[in-house]
Amino acid sequence: QQQVKQSPQSLIVQKGGISIINCAYENTAFDYFPWYQQFPGKGPALLIAIRPDVSEKKEGRFTISFNKSAKQFSLHIMDSQPGDSATYFCAASPRGAQKLVFGQGTRLTINP
Amino acid sequence: DADVTQTPRNRITKTGKRIMLECSQTKGHDRMYWYRQDPGLGLRLIYYSFDVKDINKGEISDGYSVSRQAQAKFSLSLESAIPNQTALYFCATGQTGRTGELFFGEGSRLTVL
Repeated sequence: QQQVKQSPQSLIVQKGGISIINCAYENTAFDYFPWYQQFPGKGPALLIAIRPDVSEKKEGRFTISFNKSAKQFSLHIMDSQPGDSATYFCAASPRGAQKLVFGQGTRLTINP
Repeated sequence: DADVTQTPRNRITKTGKRIMLECSQTKGHDRMYWYRQDPGLGLRLIYYSFDVKDINKGEISDGYSVSRQAQAKFSLSLESAIPNQTALYFCATGQTGRTGELFFGEGSRLTVL
């Protein structure tokens, strides 16, 4: 069973628009929620991460929104650019374990 | 030079053959991981190691084995490859006591015919 469920599977956004990717989890032992970005031919790389003691974290155009009661978190990319076109993975790790469980991935395409 | 190096980058083999994928790192991290990536399934953990004497099964370890030859080296073996092991394999590293961030290699694409 998929412990972290990610949607949508693919997303097309116009340049300058907002890209939104959603994830949901069941395991309440998770306490670290990162997003990874993967370009073709490369390994995933950490983009931004959040812990459940805050509801939002922003780094430049990238924001994570976290809803602990709903067990959901999302990635928002503001002013989306063609260079943001990549596959995005949400993930979660149990407290103290540093063992990431990944979502299914979202292929994001930003049209110029 | 890459901090996490995987070899080979691409491999085509036949059903029943033994295959080894190797990973080496220069980051000085103590933790190493092997993940498998399949379209629509994301990345799934095969095995992980928190130090040289520690080996743990992940969620999909059946059909795989690993060896942690040194702190910097972690290899993944398929004793008798089968077609449904065709996938993109990633090695990753992490450091105890730091954030949960993992650092990934560039992947090894394995095709089993």
